Amino acid sequence: DAKTTQPTSMDCAEGRAANLPCNHSTISGNEYVYWYRQIHSQGPQYIIHGLKNNETNEMASLIITEDRKSSTLILPHATLRDTAVYYCIVRVWGGDMRFGAGTRLTVKP
Amino acid sequence: GAGVSQSPRYKVAKRGQDVALRCDPISGHVSLFWYQQALGQGPEFLTYFQNEAQLDKSGLPSDRFFAERPEGSVSTLKIQRTQQEDSAVYLCASSELQAVNTEAFFGQGTRLTVV
Repeated sequence: DAKTTQPTSMDCAEGRAANLPCNHSTISGNEYVYWYRQIHSQGPQYIIHGLKNNETNEMASLIITEDRKSSTLILPHATLRDTAVYYCIVRVWGGDMRFGAGTRLTVKP
Repeated sequence: GAGVSQSPRYKVAKRGQDVALRCDPISGHVSLFWYQQALGQGPEFLTYFQNEAQLDKSGLPSDRFFAERPEGSVSTLKIQRTQQEDSAVYLCASSELQAVNTEAFFGQGTRLTVV
């Protein structure tokens, strides 16, 4: 399994964009990048995933570098409710999801 | 049901007691995952089922942990002779297919406290 590296914590001002980086330098060609978040006392929640193209949905945008060795999750207008731990996961074909420690994002008023 | 349901939400067990944690996945979901999450840590993979087949149990920490999914729907995680280090939130997730581009839906977890 490819492993991911994320900063332990980040702060963001309410209303500003939150940019969460993730390194996955050993990712294989058929592995997708997934992002989940976990709000206190809840189960992880799916945000977005991608293979090599940038992706956008109603929650966030995912920017994957051309060499696929890193990615950035963008929350365009962070709110206080976006305070959570954000996990970047590389999913092995036919396998399971392995979480790391994630990034604790704190959105401040 | 509308989502993944886990029961009980909270369980207090005396050290040495056996416990059983239940997961009801989303109807029709083929894949089912169990995770253990200690306080302040990310979820740690325990085991994975595709229908009734347990395809990966490499994350089970000891032979006191046992999981089953006999009919390919509801799953039970059993912990025998519980110890204090087993205290954690146990999360269950399900997804439609064991394909890379599907998302997994998580339950709210069972918080196990061993005293």
